[in-house]
Amino acid sequence: DMKVTQMPRYLIKRMGENVLLECGQDMSHETMYWYRQDPGLGLQLIYISYDVDSNSEGDIPKGYRVSRKKREHFSLILDSAKTNQTSVYFCASSLGGRAEQFFGPGTRLTVL
Amino acid sequence: QQQVRQSPQSLTVWEGETAILNCSYENSAFDYFPWYQQFPGEGPALLISILSVSNKKEDGRFTIFFNKREKKLSLHIADSQPGDSATYFCAASGGATGGNNKLTFGQGTVLSVIP
Repeated sequence: DMKVTQMPRYLIKRMGENVLLECGQDMSHETMYWYRQDPGLGLQLIYISYDVDSNSEGDIPKGYRVSRKKREHFSLILDSAKTNQTSVYFCASSLGGRAEQFFGPGTRLTVL
Repeated sequence: QQQVRQSPQSLTVWEGETAILNCSYENSAFDYFPWYQQFPGEGPALLISILSVSNKKEDGRFTIFFNKREKKLSLHIADSQPGDSATYFCAASGGATGGNNKLTFGQGTVLSVIP
């Protein structure tokens, strides 16, 4: 069953707290992504990972960092969250290249 | 800057009509254009895609028309159904900067199909 999972689905944090968003996939995909989605802006790429410990900045990496220690897991970390990081975060995975990206169900993060 | 633009922001059609969603891009190096469909509360899912070497791609009721010279493409949804009500994202990739892995998404078009 090809699936991308995200935990948690909903999260409320206070400004300055640390945030950990987790993503898993069961397709052995090499490439994984973190996006954020805001109304009117579509999906913006935060980080892309080409494999374990092989991560690259996307278009909006500032304020975020990632960790990929196993091929099937990709974490997004916000150190000292800010209110403007309130958003819906999506993780995706693919075989790379022009292969289809499979998205998880998203995490809705609210930073108060 | 918004490298991929979509119009309209929202579109309402009657069941059975053809919905036309538009997309334009700026980077002439883009050569792969997927369309993703997203239902509320879910992640996007690939609907149909086209390479810049083609000017048309069909998959059932969904057709992409591509104009490389004008850097425009459109998604036509024939015989629209209420179940097609969703947000549709045009995306693009290619070129030296982005390569093939990195997709640039448009801001989306919200389609509502009225029974």
